[in-house]
Amino acid sequence: EVQLVQSGAEVKKPGESLKISCKGSGYSFTNYWIVWVRQMPGKGLEYMGIIYPGDSDTTYSPSFQGQVTISADKSISTAFLQWSSLKASDTAMYYCARRGYSGSSGFDYWGQGTLVTVSS
Amino acid sequence: SYELTQPPSVSVSPGQTARITCSGDALPKHYAYWYQQKPGQAPMLVIYKDSERPSGIPARFSGSSSGTTVTLTISGVQAEDEADYYCQSADSSETYVFGTGTKVTVL
Repeated sequence: EVQLVQSGAEVKKPGESLKISCKGSGYSFTNYWIVWVRQMPGKGLEYMGIIYPGDSDTTYSPSFQGQVTISADKSISTAFLQWSSLKASDTAMYYCARRGYSGSSGFDYWGQGTLVTVSS
Repeated sequence: SYELTQPPSVSVSPGQTARITCSGDALPKHYAYWYQQKPGQAPMLVIYKDSERPSGIPARFSGSSSGTTVTLTISGVQAEDEADYYCQSADSSETYVFGTGTKVTVL
């Protein structure tokens, strides 16, 4: 069974750093792209970026370039999303999702989401 | 920046047909995908490649494309279909983008 399991909710202060994770299982983690999606409270879905765990090839949405870092460790089948200095406006639910094997398959499996709260 | 525009809300009675549109200039060049998101849950893929249905998705969900508009149709709407729906595609630089989202209310 394909699963993406994300790390738990986080409460942080502005200026702190954070790294959240997304562990894949039930499939060949290195052969499927992983995307990260932000959902701010009461708002819609926003595409942040994508990584290919096989070689860590990464592309960011222009809206998130320079704001976050996406990485992966294929030895533990895990993708990461990190911030070096959080802002209150980073408060949101963050989802990882797998892009299907074919580029035209859509985001076929999703993690349960990680809620990040940034507040002083 | 590129936008995919959806109506904010659609209301439909049980058993009737709900149609949700998604408009974007690059849609003739890129496939569209549709996701259902129920409160407190992660999104779920319901349509890919404009009109294909993943396994396990009921046949009442269908997708179509015409020019710069794609449409998700839910035939014979059931109470469990009440959710937010998002289209997704790519812009001219191959960057993925989500639509603005549509709240479907079953009356």
